[in-house]
Amino acid sequence: DAGVIQSPRHEVTEMGQEVTLRCKPISGHNSLFWYRQTMMRGLELLIYFNNNVPIDDSGMPEDRFSAKMPNASFSTLKIQPSEPRDSAVYFCASSLRGQSQNIQYFGAGTRLSVL
Amino acid sequence: AQKITQTQPGMFVQEKEAVTLDCTYDTSDPSYGLFWYKQPSSGEMIFLIYQGSYDQQNATEGRYSLNFQKARKSANLVISASQLGDSAMYFCAIGYGGGGADGLTFGKGTHLIIQP
Repeated sequence: DAGVIQSPRHEVTEMGQEVTLRCKPISGHNSLFWYRQTMMRGLELLIYFNNNVPIDDSGMPEDRFSAKMPNASFSTLKIQPSEPRDSAVYFCASSLRGQSQNIQYFGAGTRLSVL
Repeated sequence: AQKITQTQPGMFVQEKEAVTLDCTYDTSDPSYGLFWYKQPSSGEMIFLIYQGSYDQQNATEGRYSLNFQKARKSANLVISASQLGDSAMYFCAIGYGGGGADGLTFGKGTHLIIQP
């Protein structure tokens, strides 16, 4: 079975440009999470969705960040305009909510570099 | 608020030895889940093992076991018979909302290096 698929794997962009990160969750999963990993702050939850509805976006750092989940098989995280401090690895994870464990399975991540 | 503390930034262990990675947590929720993930140098996050706060027995998954001491709020990962492929970053995480339903809070991680 295919796991969580993220694209692109690497993204290099210049400050001020719009960046869109994409995620396809595991088929049948109904929860989707976006995390950011940096050396300074470690892994942080940005936002999560249940049944395509955003539930908690308190981790989104600024209004420059937005996330959507138009259907059960696709989500985007957009940064507009991007800044050098947004450079990080962005992970998407999915889980099947309703099980006692609600284990999150992660994608391979997108390494973003903003110059 | 929930918090995870991993006090070992790095560890060197001889191949075939057992390894214990420390994790302590803080939460006011009576129901929570504890997770361990492995992140090799390639960067992906791999789920290893889960322990629920109400589970009576310590979780085990192959060579991985979780030493859960609820009163001490610790959830140490034990890797038996370590292998060179175990070299990686290991993250402890606590989930809220039932297991990891509402997201995970991660510790800073432990960098484990297995030496031949």
